[in-house]
Amino acid sequence: RKEVEQDPGPFNVPEGATVAFNCTYSNSASQSFFWYRQDCRKEPKLLMSVYSSGNEDGRFTAQLNRASQYISLLIRDSKLSDSATYLCVVRTSWYSSASKIIFGSGTRLSIRP
Amino acid sequence: SAVISQKPSRDICQRGTSLTIQCQVDSQVTMMFWYRQQPGQSLTLIATANQGSEATYESGFVIDKFPISRPNLTFSTLTVSNMSPEDSSIYLCSVEDRREKLFFGSGTQLSVL
Repeated sequence: RKEVEQDPGPFNVPEGATVAFNCTYSNSASQSFFWYRQDCRKEPKLLMSVYSSGNEDGRFTAQLNRASQYISLLIRDSKLSDSATYLCVVRTSWYSSASKIIFGSGTRLSIRP
Repeated sequence: SAVISQKPSRDICQRGTSLTIQCQVDSQVTMMFWYRQQPGQSLTLIATANQGSEATYESGFVIDKFPISRPNLTFSTLTVSNMSPEDSSIYLCSVEDRREKLFFGSGTQLSVL
């Protein structure tokens, strides 16, 4: 089983729709969670951090469910410019020498006019 | 945030040759990370480059194949040695800020013939 798993998609949704992705992680010691966005042939860029209390930034909402070990990303009123690959990133710890950053394989989102 | 200048942005190389990728950061950072991203896949950590000590390599990656230099706190190089077509990939350098957020160089797209 992969340490971080995502539905690869592609998700193909019309402009204005609401779309949600999930990401599951296997290590219960995971401490920090992030969503990154990667456009085609570009480097990943941080979209948002995911906090235990949830995190909302405009049309984007990220949530963490520690009991079920998953994080989610919700995009409301999707725009054409939201088309990208969304990477789930999990870190096991911060000050430990064994800290690891694990990337999910990404979920491809395509917004159609 | 950190701004990372990575070069070259792309190269086409003959098998058996070596390519050195450079990353320059606009601020001093303790650790720099080198990733590989193969087509359609997520990022895989190659090694962590610490200033003043040898790089730490992940399982499956060895120093003879991917030598790394870290002469100061703002600069690092990764060399892909004795290249084969299997080394064709995107290589990315990255740094992390105090809030665990990763910033990436623009990537080097390597094609080995």
